[in-house]
Amino acid sequence: EAGVTQSPTHLIKTRGQQATLRCSPISGHTSVYWYQQALGLGLQFLLWYDEGEERNRGNFPPRFSGRQFPNYSSELNVNALELEDSALYLCASSLAGRELGNTIYFGEGSWLTVV
Amino acid sequence: SQQGEEDPQALSIQEGENATMNCSYKTSINNLQWYRQNSGRGLVHLILIRSNEREKHSGRLRVTLDTSKKSSSLLITASRAADTASYFCATADYKLSFGAGTTVTVRA
Repeated sequence: EAGVTQSPTHLIKTRGQQATLRCSPISGHTSVYWYQQALGLGLQFLLWYDEGEERNRGNFPPRFSGRQFPNYSSELNVNALELEDSALYLCASSLAGRELGNTIYFGEGSWLTVV
Repeated sequence: SQQGEEDPQALSIQEGENATMNCSYKTSINNLQWYRQNSGRGLVHLILIRSNEREKHSGRLRVTLDTSKKSSSLLITASRAADTASYFCATADYKLSFGAGTTVTVRA
């Protein structure tokens, strides 16, 4: 069974541009989560989607946005890129769970470098 | 703000020794999960312990949970070089919140 898959593995963008990261959850999982891990920092919660709706959002500016498609895959968009957006972006998925009682499985991440 | 806080921040042990790391959290939780991350890679789920459980084992891993003290510990027994990684605890309330992690180095 395939795990959580993310693309691209690496992405280099110029300051001010937009970046789009993609995630396919484990088959049968309807919840998708996005985290940012900047170098030397812990994992910061970005977004949680479940059944196509945004359930929760972390403390990030509006230029971080995303969506979940009918097939439960998800996209994270970062607009007006800033140098400090350079980080490993991790996607995770789980079975549907209103209170996050389910195990969450992570992908290998997408490295975003802003120059 | 981060919910879980791991202690110590870094740990260096000899192969074959046990490694213990602790996690403290602030609010009530539904469950607590431990993850491992090898450098620059994704997180691998290790164990989930629910709030009504006190101890759980998985292979060489033992996790305890003390909800009265709002703390958890992860013990890795008979460590191996492949256990070198960062270990994170994550608490689930309305979202999954991670601590800063404990970096474990196992020396051959």
